[in-house]
Amino acid sequence: DTGVSQDPRHKITKRGQNVTFRCDPISEHNRLYWYRQTLGQGPEFLTYFQNEAQLEKSRLLSDRFSAERPKGSFSTLEIQRTEQGDSAMYLCASSLDRAGSHTGELFFGEGSRLTVL
Amino acid sequence: AQSVTQPDIHITVSEGASLELRCNYSYGATPYLFWYVQSPGQGLQLLLKYFSGDTLVQGIKGFEAEFKRSQSSFNLRKPSVHWSDAAEYFCAVGALTGGFKTIFGAGTRLFVKA
Repeated sequence: DTGVSQDPRHKITKRGQNVTFRCDPISEHNRLYWYRQTLGQGPEFLTYFQNEAQLEKSRLLSDRFSAERPKGSFSTLEIQRTEQGDSAMYLCASSLDRAGSHTGELFFGEGSRLTVL
Repeated sequence: AQSVTQPDIHITVSEGASLELRCNYSYGATPYLFWYVQSPGQGLQLLLKYFSGDTLVQGIKGFEAEFKRSQSSFNLRKPSVHWSDAAEYFCAVGALTGGFKTIFGAGTRLFVKA
């Protein structure tokens, strides 16, 4: 079990540029979540996938944000035309949920820190 | 909608003293409740969870939490704090609403003094 990995760990970009983050979940996990965490706050839910299907998106996820999980394995989160307000830690988590047996436990990666100048 | 309130932004305790971190939740049905810990530079780790049954749940690292439905609370406790417990603690509530979504509180930062 290699855990949830995220790449890159740190990204500094200029306003207006596009950035993409990648998340590799624990291999047998069927659910994958993206959260955003700013200083002094808890993780805020952005979106989640069940296998390759994106089942829910938060209102926080503007149309500049897009997430994919092709083939139900790794996921990418892309932010287009970045703004300074996008600066945050982007957290990925995965879980194993089977019908009738929800553990609810999320396994988090160490996050990708974005700084928009 | 679900929500979580952690009233204390930060708490300082002496090493060896007892600890209680407060958490109140809002949810229309029986919630799934969690406590996670985040140490500097590390991902969030689950300490314990409550789904049903015994309202006093034991977790890792000597932590426990008690679910009190009448108070909508799920406070985290530890009888004797170690310096390594210094971290950020997040209470969270999960709900089976179609899928399963977990909502986090703002966190309580724990400082441990020698």
